[in-house]
Amino acid sequence: DAGITQSPRHKVTETGTPVTLRCHQTENHRYMYWYRQDPGHGLRLIHYSYGVKDTDKGEVSDGYSVSRSKTEDFLLTLESATSSQTSVYFCAISEYLAIEQYFGPGTRLTVT
Amino acid sequence: KNQVEQSPQSLIILEGKNCTLQCNYTVSPFSNLRWYKQDTGRGPVSLTIMTFSENTKSNGRYTATLDADTKQSSLHITASQLSDSASYICVVSAPNDYKLSFGAGTTVTVRA
Repeated sequence: DAGITQSPRHKVTETGTPVTLRCHQTENHRYMYWYRQDPGHGLRLIHYSYGVKDTDKGEVSDGYSVSRSKTEDFLLTLESATSSQTSVYFCAISEYLAIEQYFGPGTRLTVT
Repeated sequence: KNQVEQSPQSLIILEGKNCTLQCNYTVSPFSNLRWYKQDTGRGPVSLTIMTFSENTKSNGRYTATLDADTKQSSLHITASQLSDSASYICVVSAPNDYKLSFGAGTTVTVRA
């Protein structure tokens, strides 16, 4: 998984609770991304980062926030989890824009 | 609107047989097209990447073709093995764009 770890790997939480997912890389890549994957849909971009403290929204950013205080860490926060956010979340990294993206192992999140 | 359509949605083949997966896209302008393999419970892993000037690219028993004029790509798996059971995802990118367009994937099941 190209030096990418995600934590936790599995999480069950209740509606309305805050949740933070962590992505950690050891490749020193500049770009980091958060995606969600749902049955019948392709991977959809939530947020991405193009450097420390530099982030931008993707196509499904509502209800999510991100932070990147260090090159190696990219955090995804659900301020108040909803059942529609039950999904598998993948972190990805790339050295340059629009070049190969390497994906982490994923986090399966269930909101009850 | 999904700009990448894959077919079939799923298929079952016998070990040792060949199969071909299809990808049609409408992304324009176009920079490159990638095929990823995603094993159950894992993140996607790149198989091939082709620019608009390339017609074919091989990676072992996997061969991808691209027709940029008709905006179609195919992934051919030769002499399938049980380990080929996975989801195969077609991904298209535009020039200098962080945003990738993902197909929903084709699930391949190889049976002994």
